[in-house]
Amino acid sequence: DAGVTQSPTHLIKTRGQQVTLRCSPKSGHDTVSWYQQALGQGPQFIFQYYEEEERQRGNFPDRFSGHQFPNYSSELNVNALLLGDSALYLCASSHKDRGNTGELFFGEGSRLTVL
Amino acid sequence: GQNIDQPTEMTATEGAIVQINCTYQTSGFNGLFWYQQHAGEAPTFLSYNVLDGLEEKGRFSSFLSRSKGYSYLLLKELQMKDSASYLCAVRVWQAGTALIFGKGTTLSVSS
Repeated sequence: DAGVTQSPTHLIKTRGQQVTLRCSPKSGHDTVSWYQQALGQGPQFIFQYYEEEERQRGNFPDRFSGHQFPNYSSELNVNALLLGDSALYLCASSHKDRGNTGELFFGEGSRLTVL
Repeated sequence: GQNIDQPTEMTATEGAIVQINCTYQTSGFNGLFWYQQHAGEAPTFLSYNVLDGLEEKGRFSSFLSRSKGYSYLLLKELQMKDSASYLCAVRVWQAGTALIFGKGTTLSVSS
């Protein structure tokens, strides 16, 4: 049973460029959330997708956008990259109806470096 | 706003017991979670508390006091593999299932 998979694992971009990160949720999960984790910090919630729609959003600018596909996989897009966008981007999946313990299954993350 | 505080670093020796504290100030509290994150790896779920009291799961226990906005994670019989970052996270009603994480506590276990 594959867990949450993310790609790419590492990437380097320059300021002003755009980046797309991809996530496949754990088998049987229908909800995908994205988090940004800066070095030495805890993860910060970006947004969550369910039924191909953005359901909740954290305190991130519109440069951060996403998408969820019919197979529940998801993309995170960041436009006009800033140096401060350098971070580990984590994808987490869960099942909306499977209890309410809040257990999230995280992928290994995509490490983005902006130069 | 929401605020979560936990110590930045802790050290302990193998076989010992360590307690990692977490205090939070939030509105609409709907559960507290602990995650473990080894360097370069994904966070993994450890525990969940929504009512006051102690939840025990093997060598790990987690405690919650909602009136005090306080939780701790207790690790017994420490092993070298317990060296990791421990993340305290809170869920609030207005944010649905999104989690608000603290900065994490880096625990170093030595022999």
